[in-house]
Order: sequence, then structure tokens, then C-alpha cells
Amino acid sequence: DVKVTQSSRYLVKRTGEKVFLECVQDMDHENMFWYRQDPGLGLRLIYFSYDVKMKEKGDIPEGYSVSREKKERFSLILESASTNQTSMYLCASHGGSNPQEPQHFGDGTRLSIL
Amino acid sequence: AQSVTQLGSHVSVSEGALVLLRCNYSSSVPPYLFWYVQYPNQGLQLLLKYTTGATLVKGINGFEAEFKKSETSFHLTKPSAHMSDAAEYFCAVTPTGFQKLVFGTGTRLLVSP
Repeated sequence: DVKVTQSSRYLVKRTGEKVFLECVQDMDHENMFWYRQDPGLGLRLIYFSYDVKMKEKGDIPEGYSVSREKKERFSLILESASTNQTSMYLCASHGGSNPQEPQHFGDGTRLSIL
Repeated sequence: AQSVTQLGSHVSVSEGALVLLRCNYSSSVPPYLFWYVQYPNQGLQLLLKYTTGATLVKGINGFEAEFKKSETSFHLTKPSAHMSDAAEYFCAVTPTGFQKLVFGTGTRLLVSP
């Protein structure tokens, strides 16, 4: 089974801090994704990456950046955290170029910005 | 742009009753469709997927979904709800051409004894 591991389940940070959320997958997948989940809004795509050092903006990239230095690891960075970035963050991975295959999700990081 | 509509942010059923969660998509070309489930404090888990072929798709835990092109719908059903089915359910679509997923806003299923 594919395993997607997010480094923290819960995280509390302060306004203005630089925050790193880490995600690792163990299936050599090319594609990785970061989503934000908010009540009533579902999941919204922040950034995705289809190869090492490659990244593409999703639907809500403002205030975020990403890093993919190794194939298995995809990091989400909040450059200067703000209270409106308090949310659940979900990482996912997907292998190859077949859109029929599902994405595999980590357990999420619940981030609170005080 | 592709979109997915899930009718009803909350659905309540009694244990043993039929579960029906609605999903409609907007697309002139049938996309790939997925249902995911999220149990409390967990990530998303695939329930089932529609690609091409049979319109009735069976998934895990007794769930199934029927793809109706004429209605652009992909509703999720289960004949008899169990307490363990209480969770949030997301319908998602992959637009043709890439692996990006577009999600609905989710439906929380509540199951009462």
C-alpha cells in the first residue's frame, strides 16, 4: 500500500512565523499535491509538483510556497503565517500520468496560527 | 472549468436505512469520477472510482455509485447504514488531461441508532 506521511498531526504557530509542513511518500510517485481543507469549502489545491524541482500553482497559492528537492518529499512553506491560514492541510501523491488512478492522502496536519 | 456539486452538507440516517449522497459534475465530456471518505482525524480514503465502462461501480464497505451521463450525476448509495459509516464524504472529478482533482464541498453523514 502507498503510504503518505505528514510530519505533524497538530501544529501551533504564531503570526509572522515561517512554517514548514513536510510530506513524504514511499511509492516513488511523480506527482505530489498540497490541499487545504476548510468546513463548507471542501479541499482546495494550493500547489502541486509533477517532478523534482518542478512546481505548479493550484487554485489558492497566495501566501504559500513549496519545495521538492527529492522525489519522495514535498514541503509546504508559509512564508509569514497569518491567522487566516489556520486550517487542515492534506498532502497527496499520485503515480504516473494515468488520471484514472486515485490520489493517496496523508492523515493531515491541523495548523493553528495564533 | 470543471466543478462538482454535492447537495446537502449534512445527511442524517438511522442505522439500517438507505444512504444516498448526491454528486453532480459539470462537464461536456465524462471525466473520471471518485468518491473519497474521511473518518474523524484522518486523511481521505478512496471509496470507489468511475473510469469507463460499467455505469454501476462497487466500492469498499458496501458502497456503490451509479454514473448517469444524461443527468451528469454520480450518486453514492449504500442499502443499509452502519454506525461506522459516520464520516465526511467527498465527490471528486479529474478533468481530462491531467491528474488534478476537483473536489465537491463534502457531505457529512450522521448515523443514529
